Amino acid sequence: GENVEQHPSTLSVQEGDSAVIKCTYSDSASNYFPWYKQELGKGPQLIIDIRSNVGEKKDQRIAVTLNKTAKHFSLHITETQPEDSAVYFCAASGNNDMRFGAGTRLTVKP
Amino acid sequence: DGGITQSPKYLFRKEGQNVTLSCEQNLNHDAMYWYRQDPGQGLRLIYYSQIVNDFQKGDIAEGYSVSREKKESFPLTVTSAQKNPTAFYLCASSIGGGVGSQPQHFGDGTRLSIL
Repeated sequence: GENVEQHPSTLSVQEGDSAVIKCTYSDSASNYFPWYKQELGKGPQLIIDIRSNVGEKKDQRIAVTLNKTAKHFSLHITETQPEDSAVYFCAASGNNDMRFGAGTRLTVKP
Repeated sequence: DGGITQSPKYLFRKEGQNVTLSCEQNLNHDAMYWYRQDPGQGLRLIYYSQIVNDFQKGDIAEGYSVSREKKESFPLTVTSAQKNPTAFYLCASSIGGGVGSQPQHFGDGTRLSIL
């Protein structure tokens, strides 16, 4: 089955800096890679996703890149703001199976 | 507003007691999911349902049961057989397709604790 590893587990950046979170997956059949943001006491919210036929996707300050050969994908947040502070989860799905990474706690210091 | 409503927000269970967590969606989604979230871990799938009156076990179904009698509702029962039920439980829905093949919309969770 699929296995997803996410790094780092915690990340602290200064406001205005960039943040990068990386995930690797094991199943070459995985073809959908969403990223979720979870604020304290809330459910995860989809912030961006990418499918295996695309190498990069951008939405304002957020971008995701996918390297199918190396089986890894990354979340990039530019010009970070304090409201970006949250836990971020990556996921990989395919063949009727979906796995989440363990999460990254991002703290943006003002 | 369309969304997923989970209730209650906090729930306490006594030893030997079954408890039921409610999940209702008005997004007209076919698929619904239950996840368990423990500190420092990713979400783990308990059960999912891709259509009314049908559901499948996920990775950690032991000690849990579900029903899907209506499209809008997917309640989860935590039975006394679940020896470590303390966790944050999340319900999600999507438009369908294979598990996780479409974006999932999550409720705000129920935190279950043992008394």
